[in-house]
Amino acid sequence: EPEVTQTPSHQVTQMGQEVILRCVPISNHLYFYWYRQILGQKVEFLVSFYNNEISEKSEIFDDQFSVERPDGSNFTLKIRSTKLEDSAMYFCASSDSLTAIGELFFGEGSRLTVL
Amino acid sequence: AQKVTQAQTEISVVEKEDVTLDCVYETRDTTYYLFWYKQPPSGELVFLIRRNSFDEQNEISGRYSWNFQKSTSSFNFTITASQVVDSAVYFCALSEDDTGANSKLTFGKGITLSVRP
Repeated sequence: EPEVTQTPSHQVTQMGQEVILRCVPISNHLYFYWYRQILGQKVEFLVSFYNNEISEKSEIFDDQFSVERPDGSNFTLKIRSTKLEDSAMYFCASSDSLTAIGELFFGEGSRLTVL
Repeated sequence: AQKVTQAQTEISVVEKEDVTLDCVYETRDTTYYLFWYKQPPSGELVFLIRRNSFDEQNEISGRYSWNFQKSTSSFNFTITASQVVDSAVYFCALSEDDTGANSKLTFGKGITLSVRP
């Protein structure tokens, strides 16, 4: 069964460092998303991406964040200068929203720890 | 603004018991979608069901059933004859987008369900 894969599964970084989280969405999907879950808290929307551009972003997704689809398969989230409060589990998701509104396929997440 | 409340945080049951997970939502839109996702110990979020605001029919899928009541803004999830494999965190979510172009979901805080043998 097709799946969304994310790397790394866990990254530890120092405050102020740049981090890139990588995702390979399901190959025929058109819409891509990043969500995050701070430990013990709710899952929060960060950004959605369609047709090589951001279609919507949340207040959390400030200038320190960026997303890119550098080739036909990868979808990346970059945090330019990490802060302690960026520590969270980051989930990538993809969907074929033409037929399945809200039916997102999530990866297993990348845990980011900022020290 | 949209909001999803899952008042229960942790539920523990013995196998074969029925269990209901509550979800209450707030939205100003007349068109919206409600969802349940399961997060097993492996961590990924697994889609279980979608309901649109115009369809209040209850749905049953095997041991799972969902009760959508617009009058009380609730979308509750019942697992009948629970099994150990049902142990997971369950999230209720809401989307106000009806175009499908943006599946921006607002999640509740989740309910941790533990099913003991």
